[in-house]
Amino acid sequence: AQSVSQHNHHVILSEAASLELGCNYSYGGTVNLFWYVQYPGQHLQLLLKYFSGDPLVKGIKGFEAEFIKSKFSFNLRKPSVQWSDTAEYFCAVGSGGGADGLTFGKGTHLIIQP
Amino acid sequence: EAGVTQSPTHLIKTRGQQVTLRCSPISGHTSVYWYQQALGLGLQFLLWYDEGEERNRGNFPPRFSGRQFPNYSSELNVNALELEDSALYLCASSRDWTGRGQYFGPGTRLTVT
Repeated sequence: AQSVSQHNHHVILSEAASLELGCNYSYGGTVNLFWYVQYPGQHLQLLLKYFSGDPLVKGIKGFEAEFIKSKFSFNLRKPSVQWSDTAEYFCAVGSGGGADGLTFGKGTHLIIQP
Repeated sequence: EAGVTQSPTHLIKTRGQQVTLRCSPISGHTSVYWYQQALGLGLQFLLWYDEGEERNRGNFPPRFSGRQFPNYSSELNVNALELEDSALYLCASSRDWTGRGQYFGPGTRLTVT
């Protein structure tokens, strides 16, 4: 069975700080990897996704993530955060065939202080 | 492009009752996924429908069921409601069976008393 671990449950940063949120997964086969974001009062939005190819993927709003297969990791990064990045961030893993739905991490609550 | 829509927004039911939740996928999407987001348990995969068929289900009892209609909209039915069924139920749609990019709706908040 797949599992996803997000190491940081709560992160507090100041504006302009750099961000890195950790995500490790456990799965033996081909995986699709995702980061979703849930802004206060809004529903889950797809931030970025990785299926194959270049392990460095860029998403919306300046976010990027790097897939390191040997480490089973898919960490989310942003060089300079803004107050509007305050949200809950979820890492998710899907099998290559989509059959199992997505397995989500517990989420990281990010607070950006002005 | 309209997103995934779900109805109702909120629902309050009594233990033992039955409930039906509805989801309309993004136009052109054929796969619909249902997830439960319960307090303290995170998002858990419930059911997957593609082209009108149930393709897979998560670790949930049979009283959680559903269907997908010819227009690809979907219903989630929960029978014999229990208190622990109180949760946010999320629907997501995907362009095809590969699940490459699931787009979520706003969810239905179910409270069981």
